[in-house]
Amino acid sequence: RKEVEQDPGPFNVPEGATVAFNCTYSNSASQSFFWYRQDCRKEPKLLMSVYSSGNEDGRFTAQLNRASQYISLLIRDSKLSDSATYLCVVNWGTDKLIFGTGTRLQVFP
Amino acid sequence: DADVTQTPRNRITKTGKRIMLECSQTKGHDRMYWYRQDPGLGLRLIYYSFDVKDINKGEISDGYSVSRQAQAKFSLSLESAIPNQTALYFCATSDYLNTEAFFGQGTRLTVV
Repeated sequence: RKEVEQDPGPFNVPEGATVAFNCTYSNSASQSFFWYRQDCRKEPKLLMSVYSSGNEDGRFTAQLNRASQYISLLIRDSKLSDSATYLCVVNWGTDKLIFGTGTRLQVFP
Repeated sequence: DADVTQTPRNRITKTGKRIMLECSQTKGHDRMYWYRQDPGLGLRLIYYSFDVKDINKGEISDGYSVSRQAQAKFSLSLESAIPNQTALYFCATSDYLNTEAFFGQGTRLTVV
């Protein structure tokens, strides 16, 4: 089993739609979790941290399910500018950050 | 100026050549990382360093070496470049809690 797994997509959704991505992780000792956004050929940038039971930032909501070892990202009222690749990232203890392969989102008019 | 700077941004090199990618940061972080990104494979960790005296191999370190010259500088070398090392390379830094990773803008390396 991969350390961090994501559905690569692409998810093609119309503007205004709600879309959700899941990410599973294999290390039950993982303590912190993140969602990064990466635009084409650009560096990844932190979108949200998910430290406990989840958190919300505007149209974005991240959830953590420790029992099932997955985190999710929900985007409401999708905008064209949300088109990007969303990377799930897991803190492997205090050692290192492990990245998923990313889920590509394409929002169309 | 960017917090994490990578040089060069683009490089084309020939098989067998030695090449060094450089990374410097102004974040004051102890932890630095080198990742490579390939289509469909995401970001894979090559090497990471917790301080100047601490270097650790990542999941794909074969064919690469690193040097942590100072807290702010972490360079990646390909001693003898091969075509399957063609990729987008990212340097990143984080604090000791790994609360967030800050990335450089990437180096696009092509080995012909």
